Amino acid sequence: ETGVTQTPRHLVMGMTNKKSLKCEQHLGHNAMYWYKQSAKKPLELMFVYNFKEQTENNSVPSRFSPECPNSSHLFLHLHTLQPEDSALYLCASSQDRADPGRAGELFFGEGSRLTVL
Amino acid sequence: TQLLEQSPQFLSIQEGENLTVYCNSSSVFSSLQWYRQEPGEGPVLLVTVVTGGEVKKLKRLTFQFGDARKDSSLHITAAQPGDTGLYLCAVTQGGSEKLVFGKGTKLTVNP
Repeated sequence: ETGVTQTPRHLVMGMTNKKSLKCEQHLGHNAMYWYKQSAKKPLELMFVYNFKEQTENNSVPSRFSPECPNSSHLFLHLHTLQPEDSALYLCASSQDRADPGRAGELFFGEGSRLTVL
Repeated sequence: TQLLEQSPQFLSIQEGENLTVYCNSSSVFSSLQWYRQEPGEGPVLLVTVVTGGEVKKLKRLTFQFGDARKDSSLHITAAQPGDTGLYLCAVTQGGSEKLVFGKGTKLTVNP
């Protein structure tokens, strides 16, 4: 138990569906992240939120729409996805860091395994 | 071109053997982290190294950061089935706090 909970754990959707992934952290952290993990590729950073404000959008297609209503919750809204979007989507959180250029510890959830048919 | 090269990509060994996995680059890093991701789970941080030449030990795991801060190694002594997982290195560069991950080494320790 890392203190970061993701739901659902598994999701199968068609290309015309709209679905959402949810992430909740119980660690009191101020930063939350969405990562995409595909086979044979490195973990790809998608979005970063600090104090509910989006600070990073790593050129993610608009069919992925993040929402961060507060520092404890993060959503990823999905619509008109493509089969190549099938992957494990990982949410993570971290504390604010006092030292620029030094990454703090990321606490990851267990991930949501997405399959797009 | 990948910023980080992790090797080997796959490693399958017997319980009790020793092993070393590597994380290499031509770039200099401010800090480097190692994570382990077990099947069906998210990655979990093992260690952070920030000083060139630094060596850190975590039970049977020994982590080394290269003198030039361009590479790192993870050595496991007397591997156990519980060590099975994907070992990921991640780095920050310059003044950025953004973590960049390697593809990982998938380790299987057979009983």
